[in-house]
Amino acid sequence: GAVVSQHPSRVICKSGTSVKIECRSLDFQATTMFWYRQFPKQSLMLMATSNEGSKATYEQGVEKDKFLINHASLTLSTLTVTSAHPEDSSFYICSATSEWRIGSLGNQPQHFGDGTRLSIL
Amino acid sequence: EDKVVQSPLSLVVHEGDTVTLNCSYEVTNFRSLLWYKQEKKAPTFLFMLTSSGIEKKSGRLSSILDKKELSSILNITATQTGDSAIYLCAVKGAQKLVFGQGTRLTINP
Repeated sequence: GAVVSQHPSRVICKSGTSVKIECRSLDFQATTMFWYRQFPKQSLMLMATSNEGSKATYEQGVEKDKFLINHASLTLSTLTVTSAHPEDSSFYICSATSEWRIGSLGNQPQHFGDGTRLSIL
Repeated sequence: EDKVVQSPLSLVVHEGDTVTLNCSYEVTNFRSLLWYKQEKKAPTFLFMLTSSGIEKKSGRLSSILDKKELSSILNITATQTGDSAIYLCAVKGAQKLVFGQGTRLTINP
């Protein structure tokens, strides 16, 4: 089945540090990648959607200057949490699909990476 | 606003029991409904449903979509302790995947 690799799995760092999380599709070309955030005992909250080669689309309330997304190739997207603070501590999960664009037929499932647990001290 | 609601939120049963998890949705321009299983890490894909009335089956798990009722069920028969997880239902609308709150299933030996 489709494999999505996310790295690192866990980060602990000081307040003010910028943290980069990588998401790779290992056996398919991911035209679209998604970044989610999950708080304890809550469901996944979509942060942004990125299509390869174009700017990410951020959900309402998500600061694009705080959460920088780059999707430079069909197999790699990165999320950088800039100047992280304790309130940014969370579980961040990426997913990828080979759908050509958002709003298409929806016949390709999203496959998730293993997530990154970010703890800001 | 698009919405996905799962029930129950939490369920505890004994090994060997059969369980049914529910998902209802209100989504603009429905494309597909997906079920995921989440243990300690990120969700793993179970099923994707696009057509009403066609059951999808994988081992002891099965799922079916009812577009008239805007709902889906996930059945697990002969449950095992390894089935303990959070089961997430997600619906793809015009723009994005909308997730339900999840059902936390606990299987006791």
